[in-house]
Amino acid sequence: GQNIDQPTEMTATEGAIVQINCTYQTSGFNGLFWYQQHAGEAPTFLSYNVLDGLEEKGRFSSFLSRSKGYSYLLLKELQMKDSASYLCAVRWVEYGNKLVFGAGTILRVKS
Amino acid sequence: DTAVSQTPKYLVTQMGNDKSIKCEQNLGHDTMYWYKQDSKKFLKIMFSYNNKELIINETVPNRFSPKSPDKAHLNLHINSLELGDSAVYFCASSHQGARNEQYFGPGTRLTVT
Repeated sequence: GQNIDQPTEMTATEGAIVQINCTYQTSGFNGLFWYQQHAGEAPTFLSYNVLDGLEEKGRFSSFLSRSKGYSYLLLKELQMKDSASYLCAVRWVEYGNKLVFGAGTILRVKS
Repeated sequence: DTAVSQTPKYLVTQMGNDKSIKCEQNLGHDTMYWYKQDSKKFLKIMFSYNNKELIINETVPNRFSPKSPDKAHLNLHINSLELGDSAVYFCASSHQGARNEQYFGPGTRLTVT
């Protein structure tokens, strides 16, 4: 199948660090994206991983382990504006390289 | 502004009607998509066009018909609207290639009464 698993909700405190995990089916894997979606708005691209390791981009980093079928998005120095849904999306070769989205993780940042 | 734009932003209509949603991108991308996001916030691909050619056609009712008059436009026509069609429809575009991120339009919130 095209299973992508993410936690449904997370809560964290302003200024803290939060890690959002994503697991997926490894067979035919061909890239993983993280998107941010604020309520009532369009998803916006955050990061892309296709090789193992950590990709850092400012306060946001994304990690991938292909053998474990595992990724995480790390958000540092949390701000109130980071409250949003974070979507993990995966491409698999056998599914025509279409982007399959997980259900998303709603992150609530509290002061 | 360079972007992906959609019209209309909101669409309220009755069951049985036919409606269209338009999408345009001026990012120079060659691939465009339609996604549906339901009330549970699941974002699911419906169609994808590359250079005006249909390349992804998911299992959607044939009441939904995409049309791409050129690389910069991808419209979605829906016949005989049903209550279950109520959702937010997002258009997106990208360069061709597995590593290229997709840029999403602002969405069209369709409500069928």
